[in-house]
Amino acid sequence: KAGVTQTPRYLIKTRGQQVTLSCSPISGHRSVSWYQQTPGQGLQFLFEYFSETQRNKGNFPGRFSGRQFSNSRSEMNVSTLELGDSALYLCASSSAGGELTDTQYFGPGTRLTVL
Amino acid sequence: AQSVTQLGSHVSVSEGALVLLRCNYSSSVPPYLFWYVQYPNQGLQLLLKYTSAATLVKGINGFEAEFKKSETSFHLTKPSAHMSDAAEYFCAVSDYRWGYQKVTFGIGTKLQVIP
Repeated sequence: KAGVTQTPRYLIKTRGQQVTLSCSPISGHRSVSWYQQTPGQGLQFLFEYFSETQRNKGNFPGRFSGRQFSNSRSEMNVSTLELGDSALYLCASSSAGGELTDTQYFGPGTRLTVL
Repeated sequence: AQSVTQLGSHVSVSEGALVLLRCNYSSSVPPYLFWYVQYPNQGLQLLLKYTSAATLVKGINGFEAEFKKSETSFHLTKPSAHMSDAAEYFCAVSDYRWGYQKVTFGIGTKLQVIP
């Protein structure tokens, strides 16, 4: 089975621009979660989607948004980029029962640099 | 909300020495705990998880972790470090938020293995 894929792997943007990141989950997985990873903050939860619906959301400003398509692929968008948005953005999929024991499978991440 | 604390953001061990990475949890109910590993330029990979079936959990690559309720700990160990173990390790706890799983990660511990 193919793993979680994320595109692009690297992005360089300037302040004020917007960006869209894409994630394709493992086949059969219907839950997709997004995390922001930075050296000082570790992994911060952004949001989780299941069957095209956002089920959970972290404490990020409204500039961060996401969506999920009927094939479970997900995108996240960041508008009006700030320097502090530079980070590794990780996507994770799970089989999606939403149970406490569910394992999340991570993609390699998209490295976003904001200049 | 449940949380985990990883003691030591950097740990150095000699090749062949014991690896001990510390994780303490804060939870009012029995927790579900995970250890993930992240190699450079990659996403996170599950090492092992505690789901209350057994207090000693064996994972991949020779790692294991013991759940100790009295100490609220879930430390990760490996008897003999290998150079390939150099990576960042994350402890995580699974919690319900709005009825669905939400995973909270620790800040991470970077393991350096000295030849």
